[in-house]
Amino acid sequence: DAKTTQPTSMDCAEGRAANLPCNHSTISGNEYVYWYRQIHSQGPQYIIHGLKNNETNEMASLIITEDRKSSTLILPHATLRDTAVYYCIVRATGGSSNTGKLIFGQGTTLQVKP
Amino acid sequence: DVKVTQSSRYLVKRTGEKVFLECVQDMDHENMFWYRQDPGLGLRLIYFSYDVKMKEKGDIPEGYSVSREKKERFSLILESASTNQTSMYLCASSTSGQGDYGYTFGSGTRLTVV
Repeated sequence: DAKTTQPTSMDCAEGRAANLPCNHSTISGNEYVYWYRQIHSQGPQYIIHGLKNNETNEMASLIITEDRKSSTLILPHATLRDTAVYYCIVRATGGSSNTGKLIFGQGTTLQVKP
Repeated sequence: DVKVTQSSRYLVKRTGEKVFLECVQDMDHENMFWYRQDPGLGLRLIYFSYDVKMKEKGDIPEGYSVSREKKERFSLILESASTNQTSMYLCASSTSGQGDYGYTFGSGTRLTVV
């Protein structure tokens, strides 16, 4: 599975957009980009995933570059409750990889400040 | 709305005890996973299962075993607990079918071995 690189930590002002970058320069054609977050003392929570098109759901937007070597998770109006560790993961699905095993890195600690 | 339930939130056991951590999911997912999470080391995969009675070793299976007798239940067993197994244990499930391949995590069990 492709390795990802994320900044260790970021700050964001409450109410502003939080843009979390992720580099995955060795991503393969069949690998999806997943984002999870983990709020302190809770299990990780799925946010969004995508292959090559930009994706949006009720939680966030995912922007994937045309060459797919990097992506950005956008929280449009960050709140204090969005303070968490955010994980970017790339993983193939389908075929022999159908178990969807995900390998977590260290993630980005996002601190939303009042 | 809880979908992955871990039997205990906090657990304290003595060295040498046999410890069972239970996980139940109600989403009819084929795949289930056990991770442990330690400061500075992130989430590490212990074991996973892609079907009833099937299991595969993850990255750190030593000292652990698992049982999956029913689709909805995946148990992690510490045959003889040791202090280096003090950790947060997280269970997750996912589907191999079409559509969303996201994981759903439980709230975690914080195990202390004394």
